[in-house]
Amino acid sequence: DTEVTQTPKHLVMGMTNKKSLKCEQHMGHRAMYWYKQKAKKPPELMFVYSYEKLSINESVPSRFSPECPNSSLLNLHLHALQPEDSALYLCASSRLAGPDTQYFGPGTRLTVL
Amino acid sequence: AQSVSQHNHHVILSEAASLELGCNYSYGGTVNLFWYVQYPGQHLQLLLKYFSGDPLVKGIKGFEAEFIKSKFSFNLRKPSVQWSDTAEYFCAVNAQGGTSYGKLTFGQGTILTVQP
Repeated sequence: DTEVTQTPKHLVMGMTNKKSLKCEQHMGHRAMYWYKQKAKKPPELMFVYSYEKLSINESVPSRFSPECPNSSLLNLHLHALQPEDSALYLCASSRLAGPDTQYFGPGTRLTVL
Repeated sequence: AQSVSQHNHHVILSEAASLELGCNYSYGGTVNLFWYVQYPGQHLQLLLKYFSGDPLVKGIKGFEAEFIKSKFSFNLRKPSVQWSDTAEYFCAVNAQGGTSYGKLTFGQGTILTVQP
C-alpha cells in the first residue's frame, strides 16, 4: 500500500483565518514533505521532515507553519495567507529522507479570498 | 542547484502512435531520476525510476525510460499509446549528495493528449 491521504480536499479561507492541512501515511516512512503546486506549474518543495524533525525549509514565508506530531502525521498550519497562496498543496512521503522515491497524496486545493 | 527541462509542453498523438518525451537535467553530481504521471483529477503517481544499474528501466503500463549519462537525459518512451495515457507527465531528479540532497526537482511537465 503506497497511500498518502490528505484532508480536506478543498479549503476556502479568508486572509485573516487560521486553518490547517493534514496529511497521513501508514507505510512506516520516516520522511514527509509539503509541496505547493500552482496551476499549470510543477510541484515546488516547501518543507522536508526527517524522523519528525524539520530538515529542509525552502525559504517559505512564516505564514506557513509545518508540524510533524508523529511519524505518520504531517500538518501545515496556515495563518494570514494572501490570495497568491491559492494553490494545490501536496503531501508526500518516502522511506527515508534523501533521494528516495516519494509517494504523493491527492492534495488539498486551497483558495484564499 | 539542479534543474530539469522537459522539451515539449503539449504533445498530441493518435492511439497506437509511439511516444517519446524528452527530459534533460542539469546537475554536476549523481542523481536519481523519476517520471511521474498525473491523470486528470488524480494525484501524482510514480511511473518509473532510475537509481543505478541498467540504464533502460521499465515502469508501469508499458512505459520505459533510458538514462543517457553523457547527455544528462532521461527520456520516456512507449511503443503504442492508448487513450487512457492522456495525462500530464513530469520528469524529476533528486541529487544523491551535495546541497540539493533530498530535494526533488520537477520539470515543467508535458501534457499528453491521445486522440481515439
